[in-house]
Amino acid sequence: AQKVTQAQTEISVVEKEDVTLDCVYETRDTTYYLFWYKQPPSGELVFLIRRNSFDEQNEISGRYSWNFQKSTSSFNFTITASQVVDSAVYFCALSEDQGQGAQKLVFGQGTRLTINP
Amino acid sequence: DAGVTQSPTHLIKTRGQQVTLRCSPKSGHDTVSWYQQALGQGPQFIFQYYEEEERQRGNFPDRFSGHQFPNYSSELNVNALLLGDSALYLCASSSLGQGTYEQYFGPGTRLTVT
Repeated sequence: AQKVTQAQTEISVVEKEDVTLDCVYETRDTTYYLFWYKQPPSGELVFLIRRNSFDEQNEISGRYSWNFQKSTSSFNFTITASQVVDSAVYFCALSEDQGQGAQKLVFGQGTRLTINP
Repeated sequence: DAGVTQSPTHLIKTRGQQVTLRCSPKSGHDTVSWYQQALGQGPQFIFQYYEEEERQRGNFPDRFSGHQFPNYSSELNVNALLLGDSALYLCASSSLGQGTYEQYFGPGTRLTVT
């Protein structure tokens, strides 16, 4: 069965600090997809990144970076030089290949990130 | 380029009533998935529609049903509402036909059952 665990319920840091959000997943499939979404107070989930199980390259996008390690089933998200606008709930999600495409998303419980000025 | 839209934004219903929520997918997308997000929780998958058929379903009772129209828009219907159905209902669109695995979410419909 698929499962995503985000052990950090809440994180609070001061602006400009670096912060890492942890994500650990479980799946029996060899082909799967990992995602991160941001949910600001408005409620809409904003897509941040997708990573395929066969691509372990880390990715950097501006102040955001992602570390994917299959050996530890982890897909961690780091924000460098955090800003107040980064405050939101962040969700890690997993999707297995359903044959016709990986579509059903299984979400973790989310991590509420608060950046204090 | 219009994103995913949902209506209504907020809804208040009484136990036992029925409700219909609506979703229009992002331009170019043909697949709609519905999720329920209880307060403080991650979204839970309800079902997915592609080519006007339900393709996958999560662990939700038959009170939850849906429909997809030829223009790819979708409806979520919930019958015999319970207090526990109070949640944010999120619609997400993607494109199975083009093998697009990213799901783009709408702003959600906040349903309150009293």
